[in-house]
Parts: sequence; C-alpha cells; structure tokens
Amino acid sequence: QLQLQESGPGLVNPSETLSLTCAVSGGSISSSTFYWGWIRQPPGKGLEWIGSISYSGTIYYNPSLKSRVTLSVDTSKNQFSLELSSVTAADTAFYYCARDVRTLTYDAFDFWGQGTMVTVSS
Amino acid sequence: SSELTQDPAVSVALGQTVRITCQGDSLRSYYATWCQQKPGQAPVLVIYAKNNRPSGIPDRFSGSSSGNTASLIITGAQAEDEADYYCHSRDSSGNHVIFGGGTKLTVL
Repeated sequence: QLQLQESGPGLVNPSETLSLTCAVSGGSISSSTFYWGWIRQPPGKGLEWIGSISYSGTIYYNPSLKSRVTLSVDTSKNQFSLELSSVTAADTAFYYCARDVRTLTYDAFDFWGQGTMVTVSS
Repeated sequence: SSELTQDPAVSVALGQTVRITCQGDSLRSYYATWCQQKPGQAPVLVIYAKNNRPSGIPDRFSGSSSGNTASLIITGAQAEDEADYYCHSRDSSGNHVIFGGGTKLTVL
C-alpha cells in the first residue's frame, strides 16, 4: 500500500521560506504514470492546489502561487519537496502531499499524506 | 481562469438519495473528480473520471455529468457519509487544478 508522509517545520516566520518534504513508501516515485502534488487547506476553509511535479521534473504550478513556489523531486530518496517563499499569515494551513493520477482530461489524487499544519507567525 | 461552484451545505435523510453538484465552464472539457473529507482527516478520493470509484469506495457513490455541471450521487446515504465533499477539475488552460469550495453534507 502506497504511503505518503509530510515533514517539516510547524512554525515559520513571516517573510521566510516554508519547506516541506513528502516521503513516499510502498511504491516508487519514479513512475511515468504519476505526478506528485501538494494541496493546502487553511483551518476551516477549502482545499487549494499548489502544484504537481513528475519524477522527470515536469511541473504545473497554481498561477496564483507560481512566483513563490518551487517543487522538486529526489528520486534517490523517493521523496518530493515544496518550498514557498515570502510567507505571510495567509499561508497558514494544513499542507497535504498526494499522488496525482494526471491524464489529459482529469486529475485524481488517489493517495494522500496525513497532512501537516504550518503556522506562519513570529 | 475558471471557477467551480458548489452549494455550501446539503442535507439528506438517512437512507435517501442525495445529489451534490459542481458547476463550471471547464467541466464541458474536463472531468470532475470528487473527494470526501471528514473532520480532522485527509481527503479521500471517491469518484474520478466522471464515474469511476477507487477500490474500497462503496457502490452507493456514483458520478454523472451534463454540460457544465458534474454531480456526485449518494444512493442510500449512511451516517458515515456525513462529511465535506470537494470537486476538482482543470481550469480553462487545461494545465492547472481548481477546486470547488466544498459542500458540507449532513445526514439527518
């Protein structure tokens, strides 16, 4: 069974960079069939897609976050990462990583991490 | 850009059928995917590619689509179906994922 686990600081200072990693177990990240995505959810609010990356480095970013987001993949460690720069309180949210079954006509996030809460505050 | 619109809240009597809708222009070109989220938990995929269920999802969950509207249908709603339901699809560019605002389902 595929498992994903987010890790990273739970508290980030305003204006600094939020960095999270998603470790994948029970399957290889180096599959051409899948992308690997990040989704966030402010407390009490809805889901927002941040971006998705393939093992070969093809990346799709949410246009509203694109200027601040960097996604990367480390196939040797079977993990992928998110960096979000210049954070503000508005970036406080639960951050989820997920496997993205991405086709020409749909995405399906079929396996999710448990999520990690990141608070932006000094 | 595109938007997906969902009713904020829907209720259904136990054992009855409920339809949760998702509207958006991009649904004319791209399939809707549906996920379920219970309090304090990560979302779970329930329907993808219009009407496909992942392994482990009960067959009382189904999907349909017509024009710019996609629907998640629960036939014979159970107490454990009470949750938030989110649709998502692609925007008009076809490159980016967009989520609906979510529908809170209450089972009475």
